[in-house]
Amino acid sequence: GAVVSQHPSWVICKSGTSVKIECRSLDFQATTMFWYRQFPKQSLMLMATSNEGSKATYEQGVEKDKFLINHASLTLSTLTVTSAHPEDSSFYICSALPPGTVRGNTIYFGEGSWLTVV
Amino acid sequence: DAKTTQPPSMDCAEGRAANLPCNHSTISGNEYVYWYRQIHSQGPQYIIHGLKNNETNEMASLIITEDRKSSTLILPHATLRDTAVYYCIVRTSNTGNQFYFGTGTSLTVIP
Repeated sequence: GAVVSQHPSWVICKSGTSVKIECRSLDFQATTMFWYRQFPKQSLMLMATSNEGSKATYEQGVEKDKFLINHASLTLSTLTVTSAHPEDSSFYICSALPPGTVRGNTIYFGEGSWLTVV
Repeated sequence: DAKTTQPPSMDCAEGRAANLPCNHSTISGNEYVYWYRQIHSQGPQYIIHGLKNNETNEMASLIITEDRKSSTLILPHATLRDTAVYYCIVRTSNTGNQFYFGTGTSLTVIP
């Protein structure tokens, strides 16, 4: 079964509003989580690395003030898209890294969240 | 930042082996090769990973060349449910442990 869960699976929001997506690791404590964005027919693009208890590290070109990431606990990271615009419509996917050599040090992905901004 | 090269698409007959190649000529000695697949509108699914030895699990086999500059993912008996985009990823060796995705190979299993 899934070891990383995202919520909501899909969301529609109005332009100018903010929307939060949650990512939970279900059976391990994840000190590190990652957030990706994927546009149709394209590959996954890493947006940021989220470390529990510290500020996220954003990839070049990703606006940290627009995509707020919070990793307040070892099982939960949230991505908030602020002042959303239609061009932010995308598939957002999180992943979690188990600690140490648990599960072969492999990252596991959530089911993804579809965001549509109208 | 992806350090892998894969063919954009491949077809495979149902029941036959699917061999998906990946070039990673700049791989460092301590970097692993990971394979994930993504079925439409879902999150990527882990398949297998390896360092230098060949690996096998219940899903697939991973063959890594001796010079580690390329690898092949083998699905021994492809089924229609194996139709997906397959990503070969070289895991960065810095402390961030990031996974950067390339363009992947879109595998279509044909009845």
